Amino acid sequence: KAGVTQTPRYLIKTRGQQVTLSCSPISGHRSVSWYQQTPGQGLQFLFEYFSETQRNKGNFPGRFSGRQFSNSRSEMNVSTLELGDSALYLCASGALGTDTQYFGPGTRLTVL
Amino acid sequence: GEDVEQSLFLSVREGDSSVINCTYTDSSSTYLYWYKQEPGAGLQLLTYIFSNMDMKQDQRLTVLLNKKDKHLSLRIADTQTGDSAIYFCAESGGSQGNLIFGKGTKLSVKP
Repeated sequence: KAGVTQTPRYLIKTRGQQVTLSCSPISGHRSVSWYQQTPGQGLQFLFEYFSETQRNKGNFPGRFSGRQFSNSRSEMNVSTLELGDSALYLCASGALGTDTQYFGPGTRLTVL
Repeated sequence: GEDVEQSLFLSVREGDSSVINCTYTDSSSTYLYWYKQEPGAGLQLLTYIFSNMDMKQDQRLTVLLNKKDKHLSLRIADTQTGDSAIYFCAESGGSQGNLIFGKGTKLSVKP
């Protein structure tokens, strides 16, 4: 099976812009979670989607949003970018009935 | 609260065993995980252990779980230079259904 894929791998944006990141889970997985990784804060949970519904949400401002499509692919959007949003954004997928999550390679976002 | 602690650095010689330690706080966690992250890459799931197990072995990897002390360890036998990476301990059962990660242990393997 193909693993979790994320596009694009790298992005450079300027403050105030918005950005959309995409994640395709492992075939058959219906749960998609997003995490932000920074050197200072480590790995922090953003949100989780299951069957097109947001099931859980971390402690991030409303500028961070996401959605999931009927084919389980997910997108996350960050509006009004700030310098502090520079991070590696990781997507993970999981199978029904298990807590185990498999991660993609991440999207490296740099905000200038 | 939910917290996972790891030491930040470990340095070993090639061929030696590496032991990476982790402590966690949530006794209701169902699974405990070890992930590996190489530079510029995502997280690779190495192994996991169910909370009612004490030990799990998978080739060069041995996971030990001490539930009483909430201590988890990962032993890598015959450590190779290709094992150099950051290793993350994680527990399931976060209050938002998420994984809780430690800050990661950077393993450096010297030839």
